[in-house]
Amino acid sequence: DAGVIQSPRHEVTEMGQEVTLRCKPISGHDYLFWYRQTMMRGLELLIYFNNNVPIDDSGMPEDRFSAKMPNASFSTLKIQPSEPRDSAVYFCASRRQDTGELFFGEGSRLTVL
Amino acid sequence: AQTVTQSQPEMSVQEAETVTLSCTYDTSESDYYLFWYKQPPSRQMILVIRQEAYKQQNATENRFSVNFQKAAKSFSLKISDSQLGDAAMYFCAYLYYTGANSKLTFGKGITLSVRP
Repeated sequence: DAGVIQSPRHEVTEMGQEVTLRCKPISGHDYLFWYRQTMMRGLELLIYFNNNVPIDDSGMPEDRFSAKMPNASFSTLKIQPSEPRDSAVYFCASRRQDTGELFFGEGSRLTVL
Repeated sequence: AQTVTQSQPEMSVQEAETVTLSCTYDTSESDYYLFWYKQPPSRQMILVIRQEAYKQQNATENRFSVNFQKAAKSFSLKISDSQLGDAAMYFCAYLYYTGANSKLTFGKGITLSVRP
């Protein structure tokens, strides 16, 4: 299996622009998670899905952030409009129902100027 | 709410020596998972070791082992015969799930450096 695939790996954009991060989970995994990593706050869970349904989005910072999972093999995290404080590495991870381990993608490093 | 605490932000170890990374957590649940993840400079998150709370035996993976103290809610990672490639950030994590609810909570991480 190719593992969790994220794109883009790096994104540099200007404040106010829309940003879309993409994730393809491992086939057969029931759960998909979006995390944000910064030096100050560490790894924060933003939202997670089970069988394409959002279960907990309490970690989403504000209305500028939205996430979708239209099918079992694809999810997006969108920031509109982006702000410099959104600069971080965004990780997508997936896992199967019957195991605990999360498998992470390589992350998308976002820089908002 | 579950919390995971890694109180040491940085540690250093001499190559070939042993180092122990500390982690405590807070939960009211009796059945859960605990993990240590490694994040090298490449930023890839790599699972090092996992422990199911219902198992009394401490997990071991080659040079990596844990000391799981359920009553004390402590989960430390021991790295034996440290190698230069062990230099990374290490995260302790807690997972509890019931039904569709499933949330992996991370500690702040600890940066481990290995001196040649």
